[in-house]
Amino acid sequence: GAVVSQHPSWVICKSGTSVKIECRSLDFQATTMFWYRQFPKQSLMLMATSNEGSKATYEQGVEKDKFLINHASLTLSTLTVTSAHPEDSSFYICSARDVSGSADTQYFGPGTRLTVL
Amino acid sequence: EDKVVQSPLSLVVHEGDTVTLNCSYEVTNFRSLLWYKQEKKAPTFLFMLTSSGIEKKSGRLSSILDKKELFSILNITATQTGDSAVYLCAAPNTGTASKLTFGTGTRLQVTL
Repeated sequence: GAVVSQHPSWVICKSGTSVKIECRSLDFQATTMFWYRQFPKQSLMLMATSNEGSKATYEQGVEKDKFLINHASLTLSTLTVTSAHPEDSSFYICSARDVSGSADTQYFGPGTRLTVL
Repeated sequence: EDKVVQSPLSLVVHEGDTVTLNCSYEVTNFRSLLWYKQEKKAPTFLFMLTSSGIEKKSGRLSSILDKKELFSILNITATQTGDSAVYLCAAPNTGTASKLTFGTGTRLQVTL
């Protein structure tokens, strides 16, 4: 399957700082990428849909000013957690949509574990 | 509203057993059904199914789709402890963004 990378794999930061997470599709172009967060033993929760060249679409209850998304190119989307607080500590996962051919598949990045002290 | 239902929720088997995981779906304008395996990290892609009756196979894992009955199964033969994971079934929804509708997942534990 196609490869999606995320950077960094894990990050620890102080409360009040901002953290940027990158998501890249390595061998295909993705006009759409998705950002999820996951708490231990819970399901993936979709935060937002990232569209290349346009504004992201946020799910209900997700603060767009808190979680800034930029989809700068067909292979890169970034999520910036602004003014992070301990309650933002979570596992953040991106996925990229591959629509080459006739089907519709999403490939996930390996995730970024964020710990806010 | 699109819906994906998986069963069982949880399963414990002995190493060497064969397991069958189930996924039923109700999706308008169906395009594909996806299976993922999630261990301690992010989900890893297993299969994409688009056509009925065509088995997809990868090692000891295989999957098939029935578009008439709206379900898919994931089979794992000769299970190993490394197969222990949550198996997720998902379908892209009908909107242009194709957000995934996930099932609740089946938690498989393979014991020695």
